[in-house]
Amino acid sequence: GAGVSQTPSNKVTEKGKYVELRCDPISGHTALYWYRQSLGQGPEFLIYFQGTGAADDSGLPNDRFFAVRPEGSVSTLKIQRTERGDSAVYLCASSLGKRWEQPQHFGDGTRLSIL
Amino acid sequence: DQQVKQNSPSLSVQEGRISILNCDYTNSMFDYFLWYKKYPAEGPTFLISISSIKDKNEDGRFTVFLNKSAKHLSLHIVPSQPGDSAVYFCAAIRTNAGNNRKLIWGLGTSLAVNP
Repeated sequence: GAGVSQTPSNKVTEKGKYVELRCDPISGHTALYWYRQSLGQGPEFLIYFQGTGAADDSGLPNDRFFAVRPEGSVSTLKIQRTERGDSAVYLCASSLGKRWEQPQHFGDGTRLSIL
Repeated sequence: DQQVKQNSPSLSVQEGRISILNCDYTNSMFDYFLWYKKYPAEGPTFLISISSIKDKNEDGRFTVFLNKSAKHLSLHIVPSQPGDSAVYFCAAIRTNAGNNRKLIWGLGTSLAVNP
């Protein structure tokens, strides 16, 4: 497909476990973003990549959260020692470049549930 | 502290009529604004945007109005169609802060267009 692809669509795991969430951006999009959305809230910015490097990681809540984009395309969001409060929908978006007129296109998200 | 506010959690409109969704912001440094539409279990979809140097932007049935002095913007949909039923998010960005690409989101307004 031509859109942003996120896998898995749903993830249920126990408190304390490690999880990885994957994002395949739209082909050719150099900018990639991760957001987190809790029930009844708007998306909350986590991190932004331009190419392979994290241009802004100011939204990561703590050092249990880490994201990589080693080849400038696919990105993985990694959460260590998960807590129940990490339960949310994790959204990935990509845009053609870093210009603000280029809108961010979103995937359908990964619904993460920590038991 | 919610910098982007959508004070109406829900709105119901008759098919064919105008839908008006409102958004207020508190940070005067925001200079670019976007509206996204979200269906259940899907990611947000970009609708329309406006720069702070304009007061109106139109795209088909969708028009966004910006009142900078009041820190208020609105999205008009006319005529409204049942397929427009979704949650609408207002988002803002401060483009003049270096590498900033962080979208700040409202809580959303759920629009129901009744046939």
